[in-house]
Amino acid sequence: EVQLVESGGGLVQPGESLRLSCEASGFKFSDHYMDWVRQVPGKGLEWVGRIRNTGNMYPTEYAASVEGRFTMSRDDSKNSLFLEMHSLKIEDTAVYYCCREVRITKFGVVMHYQALDVWGQGTTVTVSS
Amino acid sequence: QSVLTQPPSVSGAPGHSVTVSCTGTTSNIGAGHDVHWYRQLPGTAPQLLIYGNDQRPSGVPDRFSGSKSATSASLAITGLQPEDEGDYYCQSYDDSHNGFYAFGAGTKVTVL
Repeated sequence: EVQLVESGGGLVQPGESLRLSCEASGFKFSDHYMDWVRQVPGKGLEWVGRIRNTGNMYPTEYAASVEGRFTMSRDDSKNSLFLEMHSLKIEDTAVYYCCREVRITKFGVVMHYQALDVWGQGTTVTVSS
Repeated sequence: QSVLTQPPSVSGAPGHSVTVSCTGTTSNIGAGHDVHWYRQLPGTAPQLLIYGNDQRPSGVPDRFSGSKSATSASLAITGLQPEDEGDYYCQSYDDSHNGFYAFGAGTKVTVL
């Protein structure tokens, strides 16, 4: 079964740091670009960042709201994705989802779509004093 | 404020059809970027319904269809079922500096 399981959420004070983890199973993790998306309870979805795969030397991109404070990384040997969050703000409070991007092979050509076809169950980050 | 605009809510009776619109700008949909659609049922993670404007992942019923033109896109749901009630989001790539992947604010679909 294709699955993503997040962990590491919790309650922290403003200015503190937190590291989220996401363990993947049921698919070839190293093939896929991976993303983090967050959602304030009762509100909409906000994209956080993306990390490409080994074939693209793992470049990362981030939303302007987290650029410089959040860092994504991956360990393909452990099928794991990470999100290091520093200088946390109250507005970072949300459920954080780990997501897999669509990757399709058609006539021998690999196509990456910027759509998220597998989502974890989410881990809650609360930033409060 | 999202760069992709969706109606806050749409509703329809069981068995009927509804359409959810997603209006963008020349920095996202109008720039030729694909649109993707998600459904989020209460208390669950979002689920991909449509990718690449009109492609359905395996397992998604053909009651769901997507289309795109100019600076907008639409998700059509036919044969509305009670379990379709939830929040629907569109997503596209955005060229602006806030950039990258933008989501619409979501549309609440209510089955009457």
